[in-house]
Amino acid sequence: DAGVTQSPTHLIKTRGQQVTLRCSPKSGHDTVSWYQQALGQGPQFIFQYYEEEERQRGNFPDRFSGHQFPNYSSELNVNALLLGDSALYLCASSLGDREYNEQFFGPGTRLTVL
Amino acid sequence: AQKVTQAQTEISVVEKEDVTLDCVYETRDTTYYLFWYKQPPSGELVFLIRRNSFDEQNEISGRYSWNFQKSTSSFNFTITASQVVDSAVYFCALSEASGGGADGLTFGKGTHLIIQP
Repeated sequence: DAGVTQSPTHLIKTRGQQVTLRCSPKSGHDTVSWYQQALGQGPQFIFQYYEEEERQRGNFPDRFSGHQFPNYSSELNVNALLLGDSALYLCASSLGDREYNEQFFGPGTRLTVL
Repeated sequence: AQKVTQAQTEISVVEKEDVTLDCVYETRDTTYYLFWYKQPPSGELVFLIRRNSFDEQNEISGRYSWNFQKSTSSFNFTITASQVVDSAVYFCALSEASGGGADGLTFGKGTHLIIQP
């Protein structure tokens, strides 16, 4: 039973570029949430996707966008990259979109913006 | 707005010592859920426990135990007879019912636990 997978593992970009990160949820899960974790900090909620729709967004600008596909996998897109976007991006999946659902996390994508 | 505070940035103990990680939360909801996650150096967050706001019973799982006290808005985590493999960053997190889960988890900044052999 595959857990949450993310690709790529590491990514280096320069300021102003655009990046796409990918996530495949744990088998049977239908909800995907994205988090940004800066060095030495706790994860910060970016947004959640359920039934191919963005349900809620954390305090992140519109440069951050996403998508969920019919197979429940998801993409996170970040446009006009800033140095401050350098972080570990974590994807979490759950079965259902309720607040009590256990979220399973992937290993993350380490994004470095130069 | 909800908030989770983990005041201990780093704790270092010698193997076999007991250690307690503190977590204090703020929420206006009467229904909410508290979580603890472990993040080893590999980076993947590992779920440890979930507790709802109506269940104040302490829980024990092997060497791990959790103390939930609504009166002090705390949800502390104790490792008994610590082992080197317990070394990791531990996060406390909160989810509010009013958001229906769509608001995601609110995490504390984490406590880096170092177990020395």
